[in-house]
Amino acid sequence: EVQLVESGGGLVQPGGSLRLSCAASGFTFSSYAVNWVRQAPGKGLEWVSYISSGGSTIYYADSVKGRFTISRDNAKNSLYLQMNSLRAEDTAIYYCARGRIRERDFDYWGQGTLVTVSS
Amino acid sequence: DIQMTQSPSSLSASVGDRVTITCRASQSISSYLNWYQQKPGKAPKLLIYATSSLQSGVPSRFSGSGSGTDFTLTISSLQPEDFATYYCQQSFILWTFGQGTKVEIK
Repeated sequence: EVQLVESGGGLVQPGGSLRLSCAASGFTFSSYAVNWVRQAPGKGLEWVSYISSGGSTIYYADSVKGRFTISRDNAKNSLYLQMNSLRAEDTAIYYCARGRIRERDFDYWGQGTLVTVSS
Repeated sequence: DIQMTQSPSSLSASVGDRVTITCRASQSISSYLNWYQQKPGKAPKLLIYATSSLQSGVPSRFSGSGSGTDFTLTISSLQPEDFATYYCQQSFILWTFGQGTKVEIK
């Protein structure tokens, strides 16, 4: 069974940093791209970042470019999101989602981890 | 950036109704359009990819159509478990979601 489990969320002050993790199981992690998608409270979905299966190709949404860094460790079946210079508008549930290259969709999602940026 | 606009933002329908949700892209996205369902407190679930391909395990009452800039998601006979919020997503250039359509019980 494919599973994605996020962790690392919490309360952080504006300007602070946080590192999210996503642990994958039930599939060959190194064969798939993965993404971070976020959802502010009561709002819609926003794609945040993409990393290819080997880690060589990375994309970011303009809203996080220069502040967030995506990475992965295929030996540990894990995805990460380093978030720096956090703002109130970064408050959201952060989901990791497996990406299918040919279909260009997100076929499995984790349950999410909540990040709250507030003083 | 490609913008995605869904309509309506919300709708009320009864069990058994035929429901159609529209998604419009700000530029042509060929057939790179996906649909997701999200229930309260849950992660999104992939329903349809590449405009009209049904994801494994998704009931056949869900269907998708369109091309270019205009797309639709149709639920042929609404079931109690279908009350949720639906999002379209373009995957032509990176990924962008529509704002969502909430399907509520009438």
